[in-house]
Amino acid sequence: AQKVTQAQTEISVVEKEDVTLDCVYETRDTTYYLFWYKQPPSGELVFLIRRNSFDEQNEISGRYSWNFQKSTSSFNFTITASQVVDSAVYFCALSEYSNSGYALNFGKGTSLLVTP
Amino acid sequence: KAGVTQTPRYLIKTRGQQVTLSCSPISGHRSVSWYQQTPGQGLQFLFEYFSETQRNKGNFPGRFSGRQFSNSRSEMNVSTLELGDSALYLCASSFNGLEETQYFGPGTRLLVL
Repeated sequence: AQKVTQAQTEISVVEKEDVTLDCVYETRDTTYYLFWYKQPPSGELVFLIRRNSFDEQNEISGRYSWNFQKSTSSFNFTITASQVVDSAVYFCALSEYSNSGYALNFGKGTSLLVTP
Repeated sequence: KAGVTQTPRYLIKTRGQQVTLSCSPISGHRSVSWYQQTPGQGLQFLFEYFSETQRNKGNFPGRFSGRQFSNSRSEMNVSTLELGDSALYLCASSFNGLEETQYFGPGTRLLVL
């Protein structure tokens, strides 16, 4: 079963629009970690944010904001006033303890295209 | 501080051959993990090494193996290559493990013919 679900495969918006990328996760652990990464066309994954399961505070960083809701097992990512440079594939990931160490499971990614 | 480096960046092999990929983590990082990225399956966790020990492994066949050296550099080996092994192989490092932020390398793109 998929532990991290990113239901939106592709999203296309026009520059300056706001866009929200959804992420729903599944875990039985009480301690876990959530991440968002960005993969631009160059291919290298770039870290955006890390959240632990005990910190439900929403976070804002410039045009980026994240909404973490344990009640719905969601960790959504919003880009305000999108720009062409935001075009990339965005991955949500869950780190939880498994066997003898943590394992990191990624969602399938959401491809965001921002057009001028 | 230098980032995570991976060599080679591109590789072409034929079915049945084996391949070894290399990853040098950020200085001071002891955890190295590997991922396979394909259009169909997305990003999948292969395994994680810490202080030369494999701590966790994803759901991949035994043809996929790895190791870590005392300087934290890691290698990944795929034996008896299949067409489906064509993928981007990404390596990441962190100080202590997968509960921390992972810093990714540029990847090795493997094409199996």
